[in-house]
Amino acid sequence: GAVVSQHPSRVICKSGTSVKIECRSLDFQATTMFWYRQFPKKSLMLMATSNEGSKATYEQGVEKDKFLINHASLTLSTLTVTSAHPEDSSFYICSGARTSGSGNEQFFGPGTRLTVL
Amino acid sequence: AQSVTQPDIHITVSEGASLELRCNYSYGATPYLFWYVQSPGQGLQLLLKYFSGDTLVQGIKGFEAEFKRSQSSFNLRKPSVHWSDAAEYFCAVMNSGGYQKVTFGTGTKLQVIP
Repeated sequence: GAVVSQHPSRVICKSGTSVKIECRSLDFQATTMFWYRQFPKKSLMLMATSNEGSKATYEQGVEKDKFLINHASLTLSTLTVTSAHPEDSSFYICSGARTSGSGNEQFFGPGTRLTVL
Repeated sequence: AQSVTQPDIHITVSEGASLELRCNYSYGATPYLFWYVQSPGQGLQLLLKYFSGDTLVQGIKGFEAEFKRSQSSFNLRKPSVHWSDAAEYFCAVMNSGGYQKVTFGTGTKLQVIP
């Protein structure tokens, strides 16, 4: 159980276009979902926290107008990279949070590789 | 603010040898601690986690980790490394309050030689 999927797994787009990445919790309801960005050979950096039905909370330095996050349901969150540029090329990973008897845990999706030409 | 330090950027071990990856954290209260493994181009797989209770936790693939509050450490160990263990390993801390923010270490890349 606790599977998170992402779609697409890989996307290549032209500079100036927008790209939407979907994150789905397949077998649990994720009240909170998180979006991370991972630069090559670097760690994961939290971009934003999204709660179902409310606005996302962005980390310092993350442009909320460039990275639009929508958490419309308990199983789906989307990240839209607007007017993408080559510097937005990265590996984006989402996670869904679930509370169990032993505590809270995040389950990570497989990631989406974005390449902006 | 919470933080995680993985002092070893890269570690090379021989197949069959023992392994210990270091992780130190900074957090005001008792944290939730995790170890994840990431193969190239892949997402994260949870190896093990510590929330409370027994400070020695067992994970998948023969890994274990020990929470030492006095040293603010959560080192990952494996008695005998297999070639398939070659990957990037991330230690992470999550606040035990309501916000659930996870902070990752910078990762340790493990290379396994025959």
